[in-house]
Amino acid sequence: DSGVTQTPKHLITATGQRVTLRCSPRSGDLSVYWYQQSLDQGLQFLIQYYNGEERAKGNILERFSAQQFPDLHSELNLSSLELGDSALYFCASSARTGGGANVLTFGAGSRLTVL
Amino acid sequence: GEDVEQSLFLSVREGDSSVINCTYTDSSSTYLYWYKQEPGAGLQLLTYIFSNMDMKQDQRLTVLLNKKDKHLSLRIADTQTGDSAIYFCAERSRSSGGGADGLTFGKGTHLIIQP
Repeated sequence: DSGVTQTPKHLITATGQRVTLRCSPRSGDLSVYWYQQSLDQGLQFLIQYYNGEERAKGNILERFSAQQFPDLHSELNLSSLELGDSALYFCASSARTGGGANVLTFGAGSRLTVL
Repeated sequence: GEDVEQSLFLSVREGDSSVINCTYTDSSSTYLYWYKQEPGAGLQLLTYIFSNMDMKQDQRLTVLLNKKDKHLSLRIADTQTGDSAIYFCAERSRSSGGGADGLTFGKGTHLIIQP
């Protein structure tokens, strides 16, 4: 157990629907990252939050949004779902920001299937 | 921009050494990482190396960094069936596409162990 908790583990939904993925970071970690893993694109960075504030954005679609709450858990909202959104969505957390090795600890992922 | 490239597959015999290679393009990379992903699981950090080092050893794992050629390798000695997984190379640079503190990942190398 990495200490990063993601729910749900599996989710099947239909095109056009909206889903919310949840992540609880490792205790003490202030940064949360969302990544999308698909067979053809590999691991794509979506967005990072640090202590409740958005810190960096990657290849996140406008249909997707995220937030980090005061208790540091984060949610990734995916709307108007398309078949191509089917993927594994990973959350990772880290303790620090700025310099240093900044080791990311990953959750087990949420597998989204859009039919 | 930054890019991280890896071969998609590597097949080795049990007991042999495995060498997984990675190239990156961003010369401002500060840290380089190796993560392991077992089936159905998230990414697990194996090791990382600071860019001013050229080698790091940790039990069966040896990381070699050639900063001039922007080449990173992971050697696994005495490869066992439990080493079967996907191995991801990642970099952290000042201009990281993984976000201000995040990582940019390669697409991963599937390590296949032959009996």
